[in-house]
Amino acid sequence: DQQVKQNSPSLSVQEGRISILNCDYTNSMFDYFLWYKKYPAEGPTFLISISSIKDKNEDGRFTVFLNKSAKHLSLHIVPSQPGDSAVYFCAARPTGNTPLVFGKGTRLSVIA
Amino acid sequence: EAEVAQSPRYKITEKSQAVAFWCDPISGHATLYWYRQILGQGPELLVQFQDESVVDDSQLPKDRFSAERLKGVDSTLKIQPAELGDSAMYLCASSVGTSDTQYFGPGTRLTVL
Repeated sequence: DQQVKQNSPSLSVQEGRISILNCDYTNSMFDYFLWYKKYPAEGPTFLISISSIKDKNEDGRFTVFLNKSAKHLSLHIVPSQPGDSAVYFCAARPTGNTPLVFGKGTRLSVIA
Repeated sequence: EAEVAQSPRYKITEKSQAVAFWCDPISGHATLYWYRQILGQGPELLVQFQDESVVDDSQLPKDRFSAERLKGVDSTLKIQPAELGDSAMYLCASSVGTSDTQYFGPGTRLTVL
């Protein structure tokens, strides 16, 4: 049973446009959410995070939105750049000393 | 910028052989994690250390996998014997504490023939 779901395996966006990556979760005990970016043959790189007490966190071109009632979060990248092409993983952490739970990832392709 | 180091980057082995992976976390990070990532899936935790102690190894196949962090710094993950289904990317991550952001190394891509 997947607790963190990224239902879109892939997404293509034109350079300069907005990329929106979505993530749904089922466990109401998750209190912290993170997005990681992964290039081929490299480890995941931390991108941005959000606590469950917030509904938005922004860092430069990246903004994460959290809708707790819908158990949904999204990552917005604007404007999208070709270097943003990678696999993006959504991860969630339950309350307490328990490990991160990752989604399966969404492959973003930004087309010049 | 401090990084998590892993070696080797790639490993090809035959089934029934033994393999070992090494990880050196970011200096000062007390928590160390080993994950396995199968193609098309997200990383899944194998084992978590707090200093030299195992905090969570519930998903570690203990009949063939072992992990140690003897001095609470670097860590080794071993598989003996390797099986075809062990082919995956093995990722190491570290964090200051258990509630802090995890930073990943480049991973070791294991292929078992």
